[in-house]
Amino acid sequence: GQQLNQSPQSMFIQEGEDVSMNCTSSSIFNTWLWYKQDPGEGPVLLIALYKAGELTSNGRLTAQFGITRKDSFLNISASIPSDVGIYFCAGLGGSSNTGKLIFGQGTTLQVKP
Amino acid sequence: DAGITQSPRHKVTETGTPVTLRCHQTENHRYMYWYRQDPGHGLRLIHYSYGVKDTDKGEVSDGYSVSRSKTEDFLLTLESATSSQTSVYFCAIKRVQGTGYTFGSGTRLTVV
Repeated sequence: GQQLNQSPQSMFIQEGEDVSMNCTSSSIFNTWLWYKQDPGEGPVLLIALYKAGELTSNGRLTAQFGITRKDSFLNISASIPSDVGIYFCAGLGGSSNTGKLIFGQGTTLQVKP
Repeated sequence: DAGITQSPRHKVTETGTPVTLRCHQTENHRYMYWYRQDPGHGLRLIHYSYGVKDTDKGEVSDGYSVSRSKTEDFLLTLESATSSQTSVYFCAIKRVQGTGYTFGSGTRLTVV
């Protein structure tokens, strides 16, 4: 089935540093999504991308939908302690047209004050 | 949060016992999903529903069954729980086409 490869698996950074994570797939998607999960909670949508090449920002977060439709990245600028959590990429639609959301394995982010 | 309630939030059960997890929504959405979350695997789809009495399998459906007798409730049943089913289970709804899903707060299930 479809798989998303997300990297890095984990990051431990200093407060104020920028963070970058990415997601790749062997299949194309029509929509890329980035979620954040806080401990003990469900994932919450951060950014949604609908067009190849699209670059979208949400505060300190910036995400891009790769031109090939097989990849996406998320950048977090000037990290703060509350950025701690697990970040997931997810793909929707595309060549197999499953209509179901497929998730990457997640990137665990830890921020040292 | 967002009209989705999962119950129970935590459960410990013994191997071989049946377990049912409940997802309740208050917003009348057609599509509902059950995922499990395990370290290193992200979230994997177990089953989903596209309407009352309409359900289909996801990628990790073995050992699980679901039922949806009314729009607001989507039940996940482990017929005979095994230790490999120890996980965190999330329910999700799809609100608007293409905008992804909204998740509940999860059920942490431990099978001993």
